[in-house]
Parts: sequence; structure tokens; C-alpha cells
Amino acid sequence: DVVMTQTPVSLPVSLGGQASISCRSSQSLVHSNGNTYLHWYLQKPGQSPQLLIYRVSNRFSGVPDRFSGSGSGTDFTLKISRVEPEDLGDYYCLQSTHFPLTFGSGTKLEIK
Amino acid sequence: QVQLQQSGTELVKPASSVKISCKASGYTFTSNYMHWIRQQPGNGLEWIGWIYPGNGNTKYNQKFDGKATLTADKSSSTAYMQLSSLTSEDSAVYFCARSVSYYFDYWGQGVMVTVSS
Repeated sequence: DVVMTQTPVSLPVSLGGQASISCRSSQSLVHSNGNTYLHWYLQKPGQSPQLLIYRVSNRFSGVPDRFSGSGSGTDFTLKISRVEPEDLGDYYCLQSTHFPLTFGSGTKLEIK
Repeated sequence: QVQLQQSGTELVKPASSVKISCKASGYTFTSNYMHWIRQQPGNGLEWIGWIYPGNGNTKYNQKFDGKATLTADKSSSTAYMQLSSLTSEDSAVYFCARSVSYYFDYWGQGVMVTVSS
């Protein structure tokens, strides 16, 4: 299985500040069709995960442009600028290039 | 608007089975894969498998082979997951999620399954 290593585990940030989360995969996430299937989710307390970014860098409908994704191959990053209270929760990366699909272990974004 | 409405909390006994549901609305049920994901208490997310309601095809994470069985009823736009031979390890929240182009865009609210005697 592809192992998704997410860091840091916990990320204290100040409101209005910037956060950066890393996700590294144990093998390349480039599919044979040329696409890279790496996505980012936010799970707020007591809720189901919600899609933020799909295929590395595409913001899902309604997601503020404060969220941005980048990366390639095995190394990916989610950046959140001007952090707001509604951004707090657990962030997960997901790879769907290889079976079985696997998630990162999560990063808890909390207020400093 | 796309909605996935899951069934309610389950308290079940060890060695028994449970079947949970996920009713889809707001889109053509047979045109998208439906996935199931497990979240054990305080833990991250694990992918269980998918079903394509259009033809009933399924694919499972090998870890859940024999544990989970996915089915779908086109007439009611409802996907089901049956979990068998339950142990305390199966106590978790189970989500259904629709996929489009290899990512999950909409999720159900989750079903908490507690296995206890």
C-alpha cells in the first residue's frame, strides 16, 4: 500500500497567520494517464470531511482562495493563508492513484 | 443539491452483522462510484471500497475483504454496506462518499457503529 506521511501532526497557528502542511507518498502519485490524484480534505470537529483541493492544486467549489495546493511526484503541500477560526480542524491528504486508496494520518490545525 | 443521507447509530453485539445505508439525492445515482470509509475513534481515515451502482461492480481494500459487503439499490438510490463477524475493532464511524474523477466530492454525515455485549 502507498504510505502517506503527513507532517506536522499538530500545527498551532495565529489567526491571520499562515499554515503549511506537507504530505509525502511512498511512491509516485502520477497515474499512467498522466494525472496526479492527490487531494486535500478538512474535517471540522463532529463533521464529515469536506473537499478542499483536488488533483494537487484545484480548489473545490466554494473553497476560499486562501487555500492553495502544490507539489508533484511524491511531495505535496497545502498552504492556508490568513487563517480564520473556521479553518480549524483536522486536515488529511488522500491519494487515489493506486489501490487501495490511502489517506495521510492527519494534521490538527489549532490556535496558538 | 447533492446529498448523502446515512442511517442512524448502531449498537450491535460481537459476532453479529450490521447493514448501514446511504441514500443519495440530487444527482443520477447510477452515474457515480460510491465509496465507504472508516474512521476508528481518535484515528484517521481508511478506505474500505467502492461500488458502481450502474452495474453493481465492486472493489475492496484487501484489508476489508470478507468483512464488508457493498450493495446498491437503483430503485431507491441507496447504497448499503454490510459488516459481518463484528468485533470491538469494528467500532467506528463509517462514511459513504461519492466520487467523481477519482476524488470524493460529497460525503454522508457518518454512522457510528458500536460493537459491545
